[in-house]
Amino acid sequence: QVQLVESGGGLVKPGGSLRLSCAASGFTFSDYYMSWIRQAPGKGLEWVSYISSSGSTIYYADSVKGRFTISRDNAKNSLYLQMNSLRAEDTAVYYCARGGMNPWGQGTLVTVSS
Amino acid sequence: QAVLTQPSSLSASPGASASLTCTLRSGINVGTYRIYWYQQKPGSPPQYLLRYKSDSDKQQGSGVPSRFSGSKDASANAGILLISGLQSEDEADYYCMIWHSSAYVFGTGTKVTVL
Repeated sequence: QVQLVESGGGLVKPGGSLRLSCAASGFTFSDYYMSWIRQAPGKGLEWVSYISSSGSTIYYADSVKGRFTISRDNAKNSLYLQMNSLRAEDTAVYYCARGGMNPWGQGTLVTVSS
Repeated sequence: QAVLTQPSSLSASPGASASLTCTLRSGINVGTYRIYWYQQKPGSPPQYLLRYKSDSDKQQGSGVPSRFSGSKDASANAGILLISGLQSEDEADYYCMIWHSSAYVFGTGTKVTVL
């Protein structure tokens, strides 16, 4: 079955960096565009970034533009999110999702705190 | 003004129907968008329910009961998720989403309580 598994979350100090990964299985990863979405504690959903199936087209939310970088390795069936210059307001559960957000992974928690 | 606005909460009785609205900001025409709907229960990731643009352009999520359906109210510039025959298991947060100006945009979310 289709499965997405995020990893790489944790506690990081403001200004620090973190790299999230999303391992995909159960479908032809290279056929699908992918997205990262986050959810701050007790809050709603916020889209973070999009990458096309080939990786040639990328979009970011204004809140992360210039700080976050999305990428993918179709040979490894993996999606990544490099997060730099992290701020307290980046604290959230980060989800990866396939295509039109179907399905979603279980998420990985990123906490930015000193 | 948010791009997508949803009522913060809605309560209904078991067996009743619940109509969840997703209102697009003035100047953004609902007719041109596919509207996606997701259900999120506490402690779990969101799950895809369906997408709706028109009766000829719609998709039900795999395994999603037919009592979940989508529509639009052009006069209100809103997308609608209708849940018929509410069940206790439908108690959850519901989010709408569109692709707008090279970005995905989520609605503010509606918490549905089944009394």
